[in-house]
Amino acid sequence: RKEVEQDPGPFNVPEGATVAFNCTYSNSASQSFFWYRQDCRKEPKLLMSVYSSGNEDGRFTAQLNRASQYISLLIRDSKLSDSATYLCVVNLNSGNTPLVFGKGTRLSVIA
Amino acid sequence: EPEVTQTPSHQVTQMGQEVILRCVPISNHLYFYWYRQILGQKVEFLVSFYNNEISEKSEIFDDQFSVERPDGSNFTLKIRSTKLEDSAMYFCASRSRQGAGELFFGEGSRLTVL
Repeated sequence: RKEVEQDPGPFNVPEGATVAFNCTYSNSASQSFFWYRQDCRKEPKLLMSVYSSGNEDGRFTAQLNRASQYISLLIRDSKLSDSATYLCVVNLNSGNTPLVFGKGTRLSVIA
Repeated sequence: EPEVTQTPSHQVTQMGQEVILRCVPISNHLYFYWYRQILGQKVEFLVSFYNNEISEKSEIFDDQFSVERPDGSNFTLKIRSTKLEDSAMYFCASRSRQGAGELFFGEGSRLTVL
C-alpha cells in the first residue's frame, strides 16, 4: 500500500467553483500533516498545515480524520491562479524524519 | 524573505560523469534535506542532514550519492557516476527545527543525464 495516496486528477473546474481534494495515509503513527502547492516545474511550497480540529485560511479549508487516516482540502471560489498540483504531505514527526509526499492532484481552473 | 538557493538551475551531463549540486540553506536553519522528483512522479526523499552528519537516508541514496557541508553555508549533493535514471529535479530543503517546522525548498536543480 502506498504511504500517501491522492487522486491524481486532473480536476478541471470553472472559476468560482468549489473543489475538494482527498488524501489517505498508511502510517497510523503519523503526527503532522500538510498541503503543499507545486506549480509546473517549480518547487513545492507550503499551503497550509492540517490540524486535528480542522483549519481555515481564507478560501482554503483543511480537515484531518485520524481514525480514517484521511486528509482533505477544500478550495472555495476557485481562481485561475489556483491552478497547480496540490501535494498531500505527511510526517511521522519523531526527530528529524523526512516528509512523505503524495503524488499530487492537479487542478486546472478555467475561465 | 530568506530563501534556499540552488545552483546550477539546470545541468546536462553524460552518463558516468560526476555531478555536484549546490545549495545554500536559510542561514539559521539546522536541518537540511535533499529530495528529488522524476518528471511526472512524486517528490521523493533522498537524505537528511543535521549536526554535520547524515541523520537518515532512503533506499535511493546508494553509494553513488554523498552529501557534504564543507564550509558552514553550502550543502552539496554529489552523484559519483551518473546514470540515465538519475535524470530528475533535485530539491534542497531546510528547516529551523525538527518535527513540525515548515520545510523550505529551493527552486531545484534539473539534472539531465544523456
